[in-house]
Amino acid sequence: DVKVTQSSRYLVKRTGEKVFLECVQDMDHENMFWYRQDPGLGLRLIYFSYDVKMKEKGDIPEGYSVSREKKERFSLILESASTNQTSMYLCASSPSTFQETQYFGPGTRLLVL
Amino acid sequence: QQQVKQSPQSLIVQKGGISIINCAYENTAFDYFPWYQQFPGKGPALLIAIRPDVSEKKEGRFTISFNKSAKQFSLHIMDSQPGDSATYFCAASPKGNQFYFGTGTSLTVIP
Repeated sequence: DVKVTQSSRYLVKRTGEKVFLECVQDMDHENMFWYRQDPGLGLRLIYFSYDVKMKEKGDIPEGYSVSREKKERFSLILESASTNQTSMYLCASSPSTFQETQYFGPGTRLLVL
Repeated sequence: QQQVKQSPQSLIVQKGGISIINCAYENTAFDYFPWYQQFPGKGPALLIAIRPDVSEKKEGRFTISFNKSAKQFSLHIMDSQPGDSATYFCAASPKGNQFYFGTGTSLTVIP
């Protein structure tokens, strides 16, 4: 069964802290994605990766960075968390082509105080 | 700028009724149109998808209608059930590229 796991379901951080969100997939998928989900805005792509050590900016990369050192793991980093980064963060993965099904993790709800 | 416009934002339907969610786009390069379903506390999951070479695709009670000339597509849920209560996202993708998601529709089916 397909599985995408995210390291935390809920996180509370202070403004200015460095935040790491981890995502692991067990499907040997090439592509991995980070989205943020906000009410009324839907899902917006932050970064994606189509191979180990490769990354591409999505629509809203400002304030975020990513790391993909291993195929199964994709990390989202908030270098200096701000209150406007309070959101639900969703990780997804897909096989070798971009138009294949994306499989999502359960999400991490981040609150930045 | 929202690449895919989705409406309505919320929808309440009686059990057994038809739920209809609409999406519109402008980019003619889009050639893949999936719908995702999200239950509370879960990530979105693919429900059904269509490519523009067909005008309709049906899977069980779920149907996508696609109007290429109008650049619109819609999800119809026949015989809606309380278990269908969820948030629905349409999306569109150009060949070999990322998905652009709509803003979501919260569907409540009343018993």
